Amino acid sequence: NAGVTQTPKFQVLKTGQSMTLQCAQDMNHEYMSWYRQDPGMGLRLIHYSVGAGITDQGEVPNGYNVSRSTTEDFPLRLLSAAPSQTSVYFCASSRGLIEGYGYTFGSGTRLTVV
Amino acid sequence: DAKTTQPPSMDCAEGRAANLPCNHSTISGNEYVYWYRQIHSQGPQYIIHGLKNNETNEMASLIITEDRKSSTLILPHATLRDTAVYYCIVRVADAGNTPLVFGKGTRLSVIA
Repeated sequence: NAGVTQTPKFQVLKTGQSMTLQCAQDMNHEYMSWYRQDPGMGLRLIHYSVGAGITDQGEVPNGYNVSRSTTEDFPLRLLSAAPSQTSVYFCASSRGLIEGYGYTFGSGTRLTVV
Repeated sequence: DAKTTQPPSMDCAEGRAANLPCNHSTISGNEYVYWYRQIHSQGPQYIIHGLKNNETNEMASLIITEDRKSSTLILPHATLRDTAVYYCIVRVADAGNTPLVFGKGTRLSVIA
């Protein structure tokens, strides 16, 4: 099993460009989320989804859009990249948060906006 | 805001048990204690979780005090590959509305 797969692993964008960070999981997990981690900081929740067709905002949603058309995929779109969005982005999924299961994280996408 | 308090750093000799403490004095009855670790900017890795009882899996043991106000993660035979930042997190078991809140964690250094 691949687990949670994030692509690309590295990306450099110019200010104002848009792009989509891809996240896919093959564990049939209902719950998926996106976090960002700035240097020396903890993780902050951007958006999350409790199932296909359902998404909601986390702590820092501004500048990002998400959609969940399938159980497997949860892409994160940067609408107009800004230097403040330079960060490492992690996608995570969970089998069942109500039951108390933990999250499985991807290996991250390292984004630099110049 | 993190609901847990952890020491910022700890050292452990290779092959010895690493005991990582966590205080969560305001934990509610429906909140689980989770432990994750992050090895050098990789994605966080789930280790173990518990509600009331002590738990053990292939990676670690989790000891939760009877009043649930503190817990200890035990890595029984630490190796150099266990060097990482360890996060103790309390979270209610809900449908996903409550995010995982990562504090600053404990940086564990395993020394040869």
